[in-house]
Amino acid sequence: NAGVTQTPKFQVLKTGQSMTLQCAQDMNHNSMYWYRQDPGMGLRLIYYSASEGTTDKGEVPNGYNVSRLNKREFSLRLESAAPSQTSVYFCASSERLAGGETQYFGPGTRLLVL
Amino acid sequence: KNQVEQSPQSLIILEGKNCTLQCNYTVSPFSNLRWYKQDTGRGPVSLTIMTFSENTKSNGRYTATLDADTKQSSLHITASQLSDSASYICVVSAKTGTASKLTFGTGTRLQVTL
Repeated sequence: NAGVTQTPKFQVLKTGQSMTLQCAQDMNHNSMYWYRQDPGMGLRLIYYSASEGTTDKGEVPNGYNVSRLNKREFSLRLESAAPSQTSVYFCASSERLAGGETQYFGPGTRLLVL
Repeated sequence: KNQVEQSPQSLIILEGKNCTLQCNYTVSPFSNLRWYKQDTGRGPVSLTIMTFSENTKSNGRYTATLDADTKQSSLHITASQLSDSASYICVVSAKTGTASKLTFGTGTRLQVTL
């Protein structure tokens, strides 16, 4: 099992460009999440998907869109990148959207917006 | 506002020594508390998860304690190894209806040296 995989590992964008971050999990989990991690701050939830076909905003959704393509895949799109979106992005999954579930994280995508 | 504060921010110890990391939280209503280990350039990996009724939980050389009355948790690492060098993140879950909201601490960066 690969667990949670993310592509690309690293990306440089110019302000205004768009891109999609891909995430896939092979653990048959129902719930998936996108976080960003910035220096000196805890992980912050961007969007989550409780189950296939549903998505909801997290703490910092502005400037992002998501698609739960199927049970395995959950993508994050930046329509018009801004320097403030320079960050490390983590995808995670869990069996259910419940407080007692362990989240499994991917290796992260490092994004630099110039 | 839900908050999780960790101390110290960073710590350097000699290999073989013990150390204790602290986590104070103001999260309500409390559901559970987790400790994650994040190696440099990798995603967080779960170490322990503790519910309201649990005071102590161990995972190998890692022992987590929880005092729900004072809203404090600690992570004790015994006989540290070079591979323990990482950031340790405290995450507290608040139960909100059928969902849960996670609040992440900013982490303690531990360096184990020879």
